[in-house]
Amino acid sequence: AQSVTQPDIHITVSEGASLELRCNYSYGATPYLFWYVQSPGQGLQLLLKYFSGDTLVQGIKGFEAEFKRSQSSFNLRKPSVHWSDAAEYFCAVGPGNTGKLIFGQGTTLQVKP
Amino acid sequence: GAGVSQSPRYKVAKRGQDVALRCDPISGHVSLFWYQQALGQGPEFLTYFQNEAQLDKSGLPSDRFFAERPEGSVSTLKIQRTQQEDSAVYLCASARDTHYEQYFGPGTRLTVT
Repeated sequence: AQSVTQPDIHITVSEGASLELRCNYSYGATPYLFWYVQSPGQGLQLLLKYFSGDTLVQGIKGFEAEFKRSQSSFNLRKPSVHWSDAAEYFCAVGPGNTGKLIFGQGTTLQVKP
Repeated sequence: GAGVSQSPRYKVAKRGQDVALRCDPISGHVSLFWYQQALGQGPEFLTYFQNEAQLDKSGLPSDRFFAERPEGSVSTLKIQRTQQEDSAVYLCASARDTHYEQYFGPGTRLTVT
């Protein structure tokens, strides 16, 4: 069955520190992979996506992610976290025949001053 | 340009009432998706439209849920005889086509009392 696991429910980092959010997936075919961010009361904003090609993808707001097929992972990274990065982060896999996305449970990022 | 919009942003319904949630996708986007997001969870797929055709409704939790997109643009998600377990945020997303990235609206928070 297709699924996404985000092992860390809650992460706290200090402002300026580096960040890595983990994502593991189970998918029968070559996946499309996404990271979305959700601020309180807001919809989901796409940070970055992987469809094919270079396994290291760059996104908005200084985020990047690396697709590792052998580990079934797509971890999100940022070298220096800003207080405004505090939010909920969701990894998703798709698209399936009809484009639907399967989301992980999310990781809440808290940033300490 | 304008993003995906949803209305109302908040809806309180008494148990047993019918509700209708509206989604205006990005102009020209062929694909439209509905997701349900329970508190503290990732979004879960409900249904998918390609233009006016509903091609996948496998995620609708019961026959009380009904979605339509009669002219291939605006979509409405209707929930009949609402139950407390229907309380969630309902997210709409649109995409240029099936296998392109999805852009999400701000969601409608439904509370059933």
